[in-house]
Amino acid sequence: DTAVSQTPKYLVTQMGNDKSIKCEQNLGHDTMYWYKQDSKKFLKIMFSYNNKELIINETVPNRFSPKSPDKAHLNLHINSLELGDSAVYFCASSPHRGMGTEAFFGQGTRLTVV
Amino acid sequence: EDQVTQSPEALRLQEGESSSLNCSYTVSGLRGLFWYRQDPGKGPEFLFTLYSAGEEKEKERLKATLTKKESFLHITAPKPEDSATYLCAVGYGQNFVFGPGTRLSVLP
Repeated sequence: DTAVSQTPKYLVTQMGNDKSIKCEQNLGHDTMYWYKQDSKKFLKIMFSYNNKELIINETVPNRFSPKSPDKAHLNLHINSLELGDSAVYFCASSPHRGMGTEAFFGQGTRLTVV
Repeated sequence: EDQVTQSPEALRLQEGESSSLNCSYTVSGLRGLFWYRQDPGKGPEFLFTLYSAGEEKEKERLKATLTKKESFLHITAPKPEDSATYLCAVGYGQNFVFGPGTRLSVLP
């Protein structure tokens, strides 16, 4: 059973398009995250949701908007895609709120903007 | 400036050759230091959490230790399947920052 699943695994799209990445976790965790891993492999947190409430927004462009219909799902919508948005995006979840607990990651979505 | 660094950037070992990876941090109010393993094309996999200086955790051939300024991930008698990128992450205040990782290759 997949604990944290993301779709799609690969996404190739043109500049200016709008796209979404979906994430679901079946671990019963209260907190979910979106991370971005760039070409240099740096992993940076973008958003964190605790039980449908946004608790962190690491000043990412407002073209990125997380949406959480329930605590098992956290989707990422990206408007007006730019070349610099190309990266691997990871969804993760953790059992507790805050930055003191381990996170479980999905397999990642490789986004390529052309 | 708060930051997390890891060394070396890459490490090649022969099977059975023990070594250590380093994670250094300069943050205030450490809440926890985390070690993850990441295989190519996959998401990071949680290994350990360390909360206070002097704490140690072990899992199979891996042992993580923590001081006030750094953490070490000791790998004893590594096997080729231990090849991966090892990431450390630091939680402090409301922040959570990953280091750049150490890419470990274990040759048979």
